[in-house]
Amino acid sequence: DGGITQSPKYLFRKEGQNVTLSCEQNLNHDAMYWYRQDPGQGLRLIYYSQIVNDFQKGDIAEGYSVSREKKESFPLTVTSAQKNPTAFYLCASSSRQGGYEQYFGPGTRLTVT
Amino acid sequence: AQSVSQHNHHVILSEAASLELGCNYSYGGTVNLFWYVQYPGQHLQLLLKYFSGDPLVKGIKGFEAEFIKSKFSFNLRKPSVQWSDTAEYFCAVILPYSGGYQKVTFGTGTKLQVIP
Repeated sequence: DGGITQSPKYLFRKEGQNVTLSCEQNLNHDAMYWYRQDPGQGLRLIYYSQIVNDFQKGDIAEGYSVSREKKESFPLTVTSAQKNPTAFYLCASSSRQGGYEQYFGPGTRLTVT
Repeated sequence: AQSVSQHNHHVILSEAASLELGCNYSYGGTVNLFWYVQYPGQHLQLLLKYFSGDPLVKGIKGFEAEFIKSKFSFNLRKPSVQWSDTAEYFCAVILPYSGGYQKVTFGTGTKLQVIP
C-alpha cells in the first residue's frame, strides 16, 4: 500500500534533549511537509521541501531542523531550542500533478517533560 | 500576510440537521482550495478539492463546497449530518510563494459534534 509512515506514534523526552521524528513516503511525491497541530491553532507549517536536498522554512521553523537527503524521507529534529515542543506532529507529502493535495501520515505525539 | 479563516471553532448539531462551515481566505490570485477531515483517532484525509471549473464541488460522504470568488470563500455543506460526521474539519489553500514554491495554509479547524 502506498502511503506515509511516521514513527514512533508516541515519543517522550526530557527537556534539553534533541529528538528526531521519522517520516517516510512511498508515493513518489516530490514535496514533503512537517506540520505541528495544537488545539485551537489548526495545522502550522514548520518546514517543507519541494525537491531532494532543498527545503524551506515554514511559519514556525524556530527550534526545528530538517534534512532531505532522499526523496522518500524527510526527518524532523526538534531541538532543545524549541521553547514549547510538546505537540502533535504531522508529516505530509504532495505532488504538483495532484495540485498539491496533501497526503498525511498518522502523526507523532511528542511529550517533553 | 495571506491567511485562511474558519470562523466556527466548535459546532454542535443534532443528527439530520444541515451543516455549513465557513472558510475565507485573503488572497486575490489563483488558488487551489481543499477541505480535509480528521475523524477521532484517524489520519487527516481529503474531503474535497477545487482547482478550477464548476464552483460547486462534491466530495466524499455527501459533502459539497461552493467556491465564491467574489467573497473569497469556500464553504463546506452537508444537507443532513450523521453521528459519524463528528470530526474536526480543516480548510486549506495553496498560495503562490516566492521561488515557485507552493505553500499550503490551513485554517484553525472546526470541531463538529453531532448528537444522536
